[in-house]
Amino acid sequence: QSVLTQPPSVSGAPGQRVTISCSGSSSNIGAGHGVNWYQQLPGTAPKLLINVNNNRPSGVPDRFSGSKSGTSASLAITGLQAEDEAHYYCQSFDSSLSGWMFGGGTKVTVL
Amino acid sequence: EVQLVESGGGLVQRGGSLRLSCAASGFTFNKYAMHWVRQTTTKGLEWVSGIGVAGDTYYSVSVKGRFSISRANAKNSLYLQMNSLRAEDTAVYYCARSDHDFGQYYFDSWGQGTLVTVSS
Repeated sequence: QSVLTQPPSVSGAPGQRVTISCSGSSSNIGAGHGVNWYQQLPGTAPKLLINVNNNRPSGVPDRFSGSKSGTSASLAITGLQAEDEAHYYCQSFDSSLSGWMFGGGTKVTVL
Repeated sequence: EVQLVESGGGLVQRGGSLRLSCAASGFTFNKYAMHWVRQTTTKGLEWVSGIGVAGDTYYSVSVKGRFSISRANAKNSLYLQMNSLRAEDTAVYYCARSDHDFGQYYFDSWGQGTLVTVSS
């Protein structure tokens, strides 16, 4: 059971908007620690998608955006494309556990 | 281009030891903190250990006392010495570079991973 909770799966048709939630607590997201998002395509290593709440590394399309409120965070994908089919993980630091924590991951399926 | 290449994975018996290596290139290695993150199909991604630029070390509760992280800046290399291995340590182990903005850290580059299998 992960410290950060994500839905196991979300799906959407091409062009639609989907969101992935990441629920934490007062010792991680709620403590002001930044939330990062990673995309993992099948058979590859995770790749940084969003850092420090809503900053995209160079090369990441602006279809991806992040937000944070209270003890939760969200990743939104607008204009869903077939190439977005992947697993997505949120990540933050936890003060109580003194370590970096990942969510359980969400599989995005493009219908 | 940043490149991280892990090696040293393999099959080991329960209670045994293994040493993972990560060869870094394409950036100034001694200016970045480095981490090990592992992944299983059942538990997903799990942060294992990290080492700062000053050599300060950090461990997850699940490996503290059994694993040891180190770095050799002259060799642009990161290591993970794993002792007293358990079946639950079976995973793909990734080497990851850590960068930060406003004191908030993230893993901005990852290796391709090396598989560690602990047999019982």
